[in-house]
Amino acid sequence: EVQLVESGGGLVQPGGSLRLSCAASGFTFSDHYMDWVRQAPGKGLEWVGRTRNKANSYTTEYAASVKGRFTISRDDSKNSLYLQMNSLKTEDTAVYYCARDRGSSGWYFDYWGQGTLVTVSS
Amino acid sequence: AIRITQSPSSLSASTGDRVTITCRASQGISSYLAWYQQKPGKAPKLLIYAASTLQSGVPSRFSGSGSGTDFTLTISCLQSEDFATYYCQQYYSYPLLTFGGGTKVEIK
Repeated sequence: EVQLVESGGGLVQPGGSLRLSCAASGFTFSDHYMDWVRQAPGKGLEWVGRTRNKANSYTTEYAASVKGRFTISRDDSKNSLYLQMNSLKTEDTAVYYCARDRGSSGWYFDYWGQGTLVTVSS
Repeated sequence: AIRITQSPSSLSASTGDRVTITCRASQGISSYLAWYQQKPGKAPKLLIYAASTLQSGVPSRFSGSGSGTDFTLTISCLQSEDFATYYCQQYYSYPLLTFGGGTKVEIK
């Protein structure tokens, strides 16, 4: 059974940093592209960014709203995905989901974690 | 950037009704569209990809159609467990992906 479990959310002040983790199981993590998607309270879904797999050099891409502030990384030996968030703004407050990307089969998400809440507030 | 306009933003329906939700892209996206269902406090669940392909395990009362700029998600006979918010997502403009604003399906 595919499982994605996020952790690391919490309350942080504007300008602060936070690192989210996503532990994956039930599939060959190293084969897959992985993404982060967020959802502000009461709002819709927003794609945050992606890391490709080793075969594609672990390259990353980001939404314009987070580029230069957020960094996605992965550790295939630990089946884990990470989101380093720096220079956080109040508008970054959201539930953050990790999601498995279908990659070359189609850039949509077939499995999602349960999400972790990040609150940016003074 | 490709914009996705989803309509209606909410609707009220009864169990057994046929429900239709629409997504319109600001430019042609071929069939690069997915649909998700999200229940309160839960993660989204993939229903349909490539505009009309049903994800494994999804009931056949869900169907998708369309290509180019106009797409439709249809629930043929609404069940109690279908009351949720539905989102479409385009993946034509890879690597940048965008979602529609969502449609909340409520009980009449």
